Amino acid sequence: EIVLTQSPGTLSLSPGEKATLSCRASQNIFSQYFAWYQQKPGQAPRLLIYGTSTRATGIPDRFSGSGSGTEFTLTISRLEPEDFAVYYCQQYGSSIGTFGHGTRVEIK
Amino acid sequence: QVTLKESGPALVKPTQTLTLTCSFSGFSLRSSGVRVSWIRQSPGKALEWLARIDWDDDKFYSTSLKTRLTISKDTSKNQVVLTMTNMDPVDTATYFCARSSTTYYGAFHVWGQGTMVTVSS
Repeated sequence: EIVLTQSPGTLSLSPGEKATLSCRASQNIFSQYFAWYQQKPGQAPRLLIYGTSTRATGIPDRFSGSGSGTEFTLTISRLEPEDFAVYYCQQYGSSIGTFGHGTRVEIK
Repeated sequence: QVTLKESGPALVKPTQTLTLTCSFSGFSLRSSGVRVSWIRQSPGKALEWLARIDWDDDKFYSTSLKTRLTISKDTSKNQVVLTMTNMDPVDTATYFCARSSTTYYGAFHVWGQGTMVTVSS
């Protein structure tokens, strides 16, 4: 089973700053089978990025994804107040999907 | 509009079997490439993928839970059912169902609101 390790666990930033979130896989992942989700308290997760770098419908362009192999990154270019949340990476190429443990982006 | 909604008991006793139903609209599980998965989240914890069923009735399970899980579909009712046997307090969680498809390379692009299940005697 592929294990995803997210870092950092918590990111403390101010609105307007850039956020860089990392996700490392225990083995190579095909880029098309990698995604990022945002989750706010009491809500279901929301798909942000799929196929490593494709934004889902309605996701603003301040969110971008990149990476390959075992190293993947989610970048939020300028944090808006609504972006403070928990972010999860996920792989689903092995038919057994796995999630990372999440990165909390909090207001500094 | 694609929607999914989970339903099931809010409280189950240890050792009991949990049965959850995902009722969906706006799509058919007969359509090629469509999949529905179950994911859970214990309070304050990360997401955990549990099981998936595909349009062609292929089924996949979490390695750690596969002996306890069964996923099935009723395409006539637009429902996916998950059963989990031998429930334990550590299974207390919010259970989500979510749709994926080959269009999104399998990513979960629509989620239900989730249903909270507490395991306690």
